[in-house]
This record gives sequence, C-alpha cells and structure tokens, in this order.
Amino acid sequence: GNSVTQMEGPVTLSEEAFLTINCTYTATGYPSLFWYVQYPGEGLQLLLKATKADDKGSNKGFEATYRKETTSFHLEKGSVQVSDSAVYFCALSDGSGTYKYIFGTGTRLKVLA
Amino acid sequence: GAVVSQHPSWVICKSGTSVKIECRSLDFQATTMFWYRQFPKQSLMLMATSNEGSKATYEQGVEKDKFLINHASLTLSTLTVTSAHPEDSSFYICSAKDVGANQPQHFGDGTRLSIL
Repeated sequence: GNSVTQMEGPVTLSEEAFLTINCTYTATGYPSLFWYVQYPGEGLQLLLKATKADDKGSNKGFEATYRKETTSFHLEKGSVQVSDSAVYFCALSDGSGTYKYIFGTGTRLKVLA
Repeated sequence: GAVVSQHPSWVICKSGTSVKIECRSLDFQATTMFWYRQFPKQSLMLMATSNEGSKATYEQGVEKDKFLINHASLTLSTLTVTSAHPEDSSFYICSAKDVGANQPQHFGDGTRLSIL
C-alpha cells in the first residue's frame, strides 16, 4: 500500500542554518505530494505542493522537488529563522479519487536564536 | 484564499454530553471534507471522509454512531461526538478539498475537546 516515511525529529538548528527534512514515499500510480506546517495548537497550513515528477514546489523560502526516480520529496530551506520552529508533515494523495492523504509522522523543527 | 474555519476552537464539557464541531469552507466550495484526530505529538489520524449530500465514509475502527458526520452543504460539515467520555478528549481537525483532482486539502485550526 501507499506510505510516507519522514525523518524523525526533533531537528534542532541555529538561526540561518540550512534545513533538510527527508521524505520518501511508496505509491502506485502518480501521487501528488505536499508539505504542511503545524504551529503549536493550530491546524495544518499548506506550505507547498508538487503534482508531477520534476515539479518543484516553493513558498516562503522553502522548496521541495518531486523526484520519481528516488521516490523522494525532501524539504529544504537555505536559512532558517526562529519563526520556522514548528512541526512539518509530508503527505501524498494517491489520486485514486478518494482524495485521502497519507501523512508522514511529522518532524519537529526547533530553531535557536 | 482557501480558508477553512473550524468552530469551536476549544470546548470543555462533562462526560455524557454531545458536542458538535463545525467546519466551514469560507471562500470555496468543498464537495469533500475530512475529519482527523490528532493525539499529542503524533500525526493526524483520518476518521472519516465527508461528501456533500451523501453518507460519510468512516475509516476502520472509527465508530460511526459515536462520531456523527453531516455534510449538508458545499461549505459546511459537522462532526458530533455523541455521549462523549474522557477517552474522546483529543484535538480534532477538519479539512476541505477544493474542486479539481490535484487541489490540496485546506485545514481548519482544530478543536481541542476536553471531557471531564
């Protein structure tokens, strides 16, 4: 079945450090891939998405490239800020028509000033 | 755009009470909405898929008589936790999907339910 594997956290970085959060997936067909961010006590906010191979999603300095050959969708940011501290979720939608998501376990990021 | 409003954001009630949570898509029509439950420091667990004008589809292990879902319009879905007990205490999050196969789900801010 479909699955999403996300690197375990927590990830602790200093401000202005480079961020990578790994996400790999298993899916049949052609899934759409998403990154969401969750701040404490809130719902999830869409960070970026990619709907086909080689697509690059980007938003607020974050980016991720849909790599079909490595079944990956790693999240990167060149210079993190304290305000980026949150939990990040990778998700796929398998396009089966149900539109359900398969979520990764989430990666907690803590950025220190 | 693509704002989902969830209400209430926090509710505390006595055991045995029924609690209704509303999920509204404010600026788009959502034929499909989803209800999730999230335990502390864990990922989201899908409870059910709600389709406008039809019965909800529940995930395995979710009691449909316990968690009543109604999706009466293209912008509103409700989750009612019936006869709530302390073990139902959790963070409940809804999402709504815009029309179009590749459109993402947009999430509400969640409802923290505490049953005393």
